Amino acid sequence: GEDVEQSLFLSVREGDSSVINCTYTDSSSTYLYWYKQEPGAGLQLLTYIFSNMDMKQDQRLTVLLNKKDKHLSLRIADTQTGDSAIYFCAEINTGTASKLTFGTGTRLQVTL
Amino acid sequence: EAGVVQSPRYKIIEKKQPVAFWCNPISGHNTLYWYRQNLGQGPELLIRYENEEAVDDSQLPKDRFSAERLKGVDSTLKIQPAELGDSAVYLCASSLSGGTEKLFFGSGTQLSVL
Repeated sequence: GEDVEQSLFLSVREGDSSVINCTYTDSSSTYLYWYKQEPGAGLQLLTYIFSNMDMKQDQRLTVLLNKKDKHLSLRIADTQTGDSAIYFCAEINTGTASKLTFGTGTRLQVTL
Repeated sequence: EAGVVQSPRYKIIEKKQPVAFWCNPISGHNTLYWYRQNLGQGPELLIRYENEEAVDDSQLPKDRFSAERLKGVDSTLKIQPAELGDSAVYLCASSLSGGTEKLFFGSGTQLSVL
């Protein structure tokens, strides 16, 4: 089945940029997503990218997609303490009945 | 506009007891999902509804888990009997339609089975 991998932990200083990485195995993925989960809360969709794009920018967020290497990244510019959370990468293959597959999540810790 | 509402927020039960979770999706959202999130893991799909029809329940352990969405709006997920390994956060999500629509998640029910 599909597999989505992420590193477990990332620590950055406030004001620096954060880059969270994700690799996936399904070459037929059509959409890839980044979700944010704060403690005790559900997941919040941050942004998503269609597989025929290689970059998408939304304010402080930049998503880069390398479809050849099946690598997705999320860059957060000017990281703030409020960005501390777990970030999940997810992919969907619209040819397989719309099932989202999530990664294991990357915990982002922002220090002062 | 209210988001996806789930209750209860927390549930502690002894093993072999039954438990039920309730979800009210965002108004107008036809697609409803139940996910299970184990500690330190990403959510895994249990069941997906399109209106009142369960269109993907392949990951639902049918010997002890059941779900319903009788009128195509609210949904309940039941476990009977619960086992220790069922301890997890159960998340409900909804979207306008299945496919590439954005999913909106509730805050989840944290289940502890003792």
